[in-house]
Amino acid sequence: EAQVTQNPRYLITVTGKKLTVTCSQNMNHEYMSWYRQDPGLGLRQIYYSMNVEVTDKGDVPEGYKVSRKEKRNFPLILESPSPNQTSLYFCASSFGYLGKQFFGPGTRLTVL
Amino acid sequence: TQLLEQSPQFLSIQEGENLTVYCNSSSVFSSLQWYRQEPGEGPVLLVTVVTGGEVKKLKRLTFQFGDARKDSSLHITAAQPGDTGLYLCAGAKSGGGADGLTFGKGTHLIIQP
Repeated sequence: EAQVTQNPRYLITVTGKKLTVTCSQNMNHEYMSWYRQDPGLGLRQIYYSMNVEVTDKGDVPEGYKVSRKEKRNFPLILESPSPNQTSLYFCASSFGYLGKQFFGPGTRLTVL
Repeated sequence: TQLLEQSPQFLSIQEGENLTVYCNSSSVFSSLQWYRQEPGEGPVLLVTVVTGGEVKKLKRLTFQFGDARKDSSLHITAAQPGDTGLYLCAGAKSGGGADGLTFGKGTHLIIQP
């Protein structure tokens, strides 16, 4: 089954404790991106990747890092999480950057 | 920054009624996508419109792209409780970069039985 998977689905952590949210897709998509979704603010792009070893900042990259060592994986790293990073995070992939986005199920992160 | 304004933000209607959701911008988009998101899940693509004036139908849902490619609408006929969800429009950014889509903030739709 074609899908985007994210782990964990739910995470509660404390300020400053490094964490990684994993994202994997099995559709051989070149393009992958991370979004955060907040009430009243909608979906905002954090980082995107056109292909392996090619990543770039989206609209709200501060406090986040990403890597794209393999085509299927695109982890989101929070080196020192802060409470304002409490949000619902979505990973998405597509064949091209304007193509149909396939979204993962989301990761709900709470930073205390 | 290319912005997409969606209206209304919230809409609650009775089963069987018709409704229209709007997605407007002052910018031109090369294409526009509509997604539906249900609680606890990621958005799922409904349709992509590309040509100005284009109309696409998906069962009871009718999508229209404005002639100038700055706006779009989603019309639902005889709404059903299964139509409940968050409807998002997303425009392909035309700045020449590869940063993908700009999303509107969404319309929360509730269809009451």
